[in-house]
Amino acid sequence: DTAVSQTPKYLVTQMGNDKSIKCEQNLGHDTMYWYKQDSKKFLKIMFSYNNKELIINETVPNRFSPKSPDKAHLNLHINSLELGDSAVYFCASSQVLRGQPQHFGDGTRLSIL
Amino acid sequence: QKEVEQNSGPLSVPEGAIASLNCTYSDRGSQSFFWYRQYSGKSPELIMFIYSNGDKEDGRFTAQLNKASQYVSLLIRDSQPSDSATYLCAVDPAYQGGSEKLVFGKGTKLTVNP
Repeated sequence: DTAVSQTPKYLVTQMGNDKSIKCEQNLGHDTMYWYKQDSKKFLKIMFSYNNKELIINETVPNRFSPKSPDKAHLNLHINSLELGDSAVYFCASSQVLRGQPQHFGDGTRLSIL
Repeated sequence: QKEVEQNSGPLSVPEGAIASLNCTYSDRGSQSFFWYRQYSGKSPELIMFIYSNGDKEDGRFTAQLNKASQYVSLLIRDSQPSDSATYLCAVDPAYQGGSEKLVFGKGTKLTVNP
């Protein structure tokens, strides 16, 4: 009965490849997010979707493309992976009501060789 | 640029002591404040949230908010080794019409020594 689940947990791939990370939440939330946490542990928002609509896009390179088929799912596709993309990517969800806390998935550790 | 500042630490306290974690934020219009705990290799876990000035207590944790000083803190009483983790302060800058955007600090690493 995991609330926010991401797959895969680990992703090791070579520069230039294309990869996807999937996220699903069963909390009934209407807003979902992607965060990137770098090697210095700084957690920074990348995208936010509310009811399948893109709300926040934080100057992320075009190589990153989120897709939300429904409000319970938010996937992240990355083209032409670069060394600097190595990080932990967290999916999160919340209700859109002001100040509602965000609940995080377990993260996907992406390593670029 | 909306910012959230935390001392990166590490903050080291003996078991049983009070650990005090501090956070300042730049956006005066911020309304909601959260403390997340993140164990090494794990995801952030919400431990406290506070919306109003003053103190809010939950077990061994107390969150303190002072909007005039743009300051929020987390006190952990009777610290245990299991409290050793990185504590992330997160601030909702202001309601942004349809979705909330949290701004996170860089975290303070806490070590509780047995």
